[in-house]
Amino acid sequence: ILNVEQSPQSLHVQEGDSTNFTCSFPSSNFYALHWYRWETAKSPEALFVMTLNGDEKKKGRISATLNTKEGYSYLYIKGSQPEDSATYLCAFNQAGTALIFGKGTTLSVSS
Amino acid sequence: NAGVMQNPRHLVRRRGQEARLRCSPMKGHSHVYWYRQLPEEGLKFMVYLQKENIIDESGMPKERFSAEFPKEGPSILRIQQVVRGDSAAYFCASSRQGGVDLTSTDTQYFGPGTRLTVL
Repeated sequence: ILNVEQSPQSLHVQEGDSTNFTCSFPSSNFYALHWYRWETAKSPEALFVMTLNGDEKKKGRISATLNTKEGYSYLYIKGSQPEDSATYLCAFNQAGTALIFGKGTTLSVSS
Repeated sequence: NAGVMQNPRHLVRRRGQEARLRCSPMKGHSHVYWYRQLPEEGLKFMVYLQKENIIDESGMPKERFSAEFPKEGPSILRIQQVVRGDSAAYFCASSRQGGVDLTSTDTQYFGPGTRLTVL
């Protein structure tokens, strides 16, 4: 059974702190890793799609890295702001399979 | 460009009734995916459709659940004879491109979901 684990489950930081969280996935037959940002009462919003080992993607203060050989991806947020408060989901797929989502890391940023 | 639309946002049904959930993909998208989120669980894939075709329904329960994506109109997820265990949030996503199977790196854009409550 393919499983995607995200840690920590929740995180509380102060405004201005930088933070990171982890997504772990099976390292065999890797095809793609997706990151989403999901604010309460809204739709999940796509952040990154990553396919290459060693890839690093950046969008504003948010960046992500990918290690397909060991099966993990890190999401970093630099200088957290209250508007970054959301649940961050990662989803993994192998060729021919559906996206398998983790349960997410819920980030809360206080001002 | 309007995002993925789902309606209704909230649906209450009694046991044994039918539930119909609608999803209108983003303009220009012809690939639709349905996911279910049970309480305390992550999003779980149910079915992948292209216009008039079901491509992969490996995540959909074999009984009572069906999905369609007609040539015209929204995609419909239909649940017959609902039971309490069907209570969940159902999300639809769409993508511009897809494939002959689920292998695609094209971004999936999600709708706001329909929250089904079965009394």
